Amino acid sequence: NAGVTQTPKFQVLKTGQSMTLQCAQDMNHEYMSWYRQDPGMGLRLIHYSVGAGITDQGEVPNGYNVSRSTTEDFPLRLLSAAPSQTSVYFCASSVGTGGTGELFFGEGSRLTVL
Amino acid sequence: DQQVKQNSPSLSVQEGRISILNCDYTNSMFDYFLWYKKYPAEGPTFLISISSIKDKNEDGRFTVFLNKSAKHLSLHIVPSQPGDSAVYFCAASENDMRFGAGTRLTVKP
Repeated sequence: NAGVTQTPKFQVLKTGQSMTLQCAQDMNHEYMSWYRQDPGMGLRLIHYSVGAGITDQGEVPNGYNVSRSTTEDFPLRLLSAAPSQTSVYFCASSVGTGGTGELFFGEGSRLTVL
Repeated sequence: DQQVKQNSPSLSVQEGRISILNCDYTNSMFDYFLWYKKYPAEGPTFLISISSIKDKNEDGRFTVFLNKSAKHLSLHIVPSQPGDSAVYFCAASENDMRFGAGTRLTVKP
């Protein structure tokens, strides 16, 4: 019973490098989203998707790119990593649009940008 | 500008007593409110929710109260147990879900 799976769990990057955080869910949820967690800031929404082929920006989208080619997968791309992107990233999914449904979270991906 | 605020970063209570966690929001369009619990090195997990048409929802030891006029909600845990020690996030949704900064609850045996 996998739920929401995120990889990698840990990653260290140098400034300017690019990488992709992977997220997959096996619950057939239409809604998927990415959050970052920073001390004192809680969870902030980066991007979300209400279904395959549809994505939208959240509160803090700059420096990140997403795509949703399948229902199961929602990768988050860092185009040119900056130290300000050091954070813990959580992927989440839910039934419905995400506005009224309980979110199911992955275990998180800790990213450090040097 | 954070639309969901948890002004208490931490709370410590004695086992068996009541824990009250508070949350304020600014967006009157929010129509669904949730509490999540997070242990270290894990993702948040859903705890309890309430629709804007209600003012109270109860699930075992957990009760959420909603005061729409004050744009305030609270989570009551009675009785508190050491296993309840975690970070609690308040969340509110309209078209997407916004979270507060979290409150770290410590329940002392």
